Amino acid sequence: AQSVSQHNHHVILSEAASLELGCNYSYGGTVNLFWYVQYPGQHLQLLLKYFSGDPLVKGIKGFEAEFIKSKFSFNLRKPSVQWSDTAEYFCAVSRNNNDMRFGAGTRLTVKP
Amino acid sequence: GAGVSQSPSNKVTEKGKDVELRCDPISGHTALYWYRQSLGQGLEFLIYFQGNSAPDKSGLPSDRFSAERTGGSVSTLTIQRTQQEDSAVYLCASSRGSGNTIYFGEGSWLTVV
Repeated sequence: AQSVSQHNHHVILSEAASLELGCNYSYGGTVNLFWYVQYPGQHLQLLLKYFSGDPLVKGIKGFEAEFIKSKFSFNLRKPSVQWSDTAEYFCAVSRNNNDMRFGAGTRLTVKP
Repeated sequence: GAGVSQSPSNKVTEKGKDVELRCDPISGHTALYWYRQSLGQGLEFLIYFQGNSAPDKSGLPSDRFSAERTGGSVSTLTIQRTQQEDSAVYLCASSRGSGNTIYFGEGSWLTVV
């Protein structure tokens, strides 16, 4: 079935550790790719997005993601996490400029 | 409006009752989405409206769930004969067009007792 897969359900890191969250999708054709973040008690908000062009995209708060078309992946990275990055992270894919499907989410806990 | 508005923010209902959840998207946004987020679960796609096109209902979990969008703006998600497993946060989101960044509302917390 076509889907968006996030491999890590819960990631626990210490402050200053590097982060990489995996996201793979199985759709063919044109895709727009997104990472959304949900901080505790808040609603979902956009972290970064890829539509076209440079496959390495920069987002807010030092996050970046790389689109690798051959691997159908859009992994999220941050060189040095902070306690305030504790949140749930969702990868999302829009297929052929159509609807938006989300992965199951990855909960990130950063220990101070 | 300035953002996506959902009501009610919280709803406790008895098993077997019907509930209606309302979403008022950002003005001018043609695409509207409903998702469900259960405790410890990810975002489950329910239904998608784009302009005057037929909605994509492929995510609705059963025929107890239905949604409509009147006048291309406000949407109502209706759950008939609610079950305890329907307890979740129901999130509405909108975007300028399909494929673009979507903006979420605060969600409607539904508890079925």
